[in-house]
Amino acid sequence: GAGVSQSPRYKVAKRGQDVALRCDPISGHVSLFWYQQALGQGPEFLTYFQNEAQLDKSGLPSDRFFAERPEGSVSTLKIQRTQQEDSAVYLCASRGLAGANEQFFGPGTRLTVL
Amino acid sequence: AQSVTQPDIHITVSEGASLELRCNYSYGATPYLFWYVQSPGQGLQLLLKYFSGDTLVQGIKGFEAEFKRSQSSFNLRKPSVHWSDAAEYFCAVGAPGAGSYQLTFGKGTKLSVIP
Repeated sequence: GAGVSQSPRYKVAKRGQDVALRCDPISGHVSLFWYQQALGQGPEFLTYFQNEAQLDKSGLPSDRFFAERPEGSVSTLKIQRTQQEDSAVYLCASRGLAGANEQFFGPGTRLTVL
Repeated sequence: AQSVTQPDIHITVSEGASLELRCNYSYGATPYLFWYVQSPGQGLQLLLKYFSGDTLVQGIKGFEAEFKRSQSSFNLRKPSVHWSDAAEYFCAVGAPGAGSYQLTFGKGTKLSVIP
């Protein structure tokens, strides 16, 4: 498709389970971002990739969060030993080279940790 | 560090009325500025953006925004609201220049439209 896609759209996990969230960016987009959006809040930056290189992971809230983009296209955000405070919508965005910081967002994955 | 303030958490307007959503930012220079809209269960859709030049920018769906450097503001306006405009609106700021990348968002303003 033409846009950013994310899967699954909804995920329910029991506390302590590991989850993996997938992002397919727009084809050819070099930059990829992950954001976390808690209920009633704006998105907050988690991490940034340029091709396969993770250039910034300063927004990851704990070492339970891990992101990868091994081939410079699809990215996976993994959360280990999920906690209730991890419940949020996780948004992925991509940006092309000439985007002047314009990012295109996917629909998000809503994670609920019980 | 950059920050964004959207002072209004929730606004209700009647269909056909005009709309202005406020956004103030904090940044050392002129940033890149964006307005996104998010409908329930949907991702963020870009309404408009400001990088440089004309301070009044036009976007999709009849929206416009004006950058005012002296007030550090980038307010979103629409002359006549439609029921389908009911959604949440986010203002965001990005630092210009090579290597800059992340967006900082405000907490959002929820717009309700009365038929």
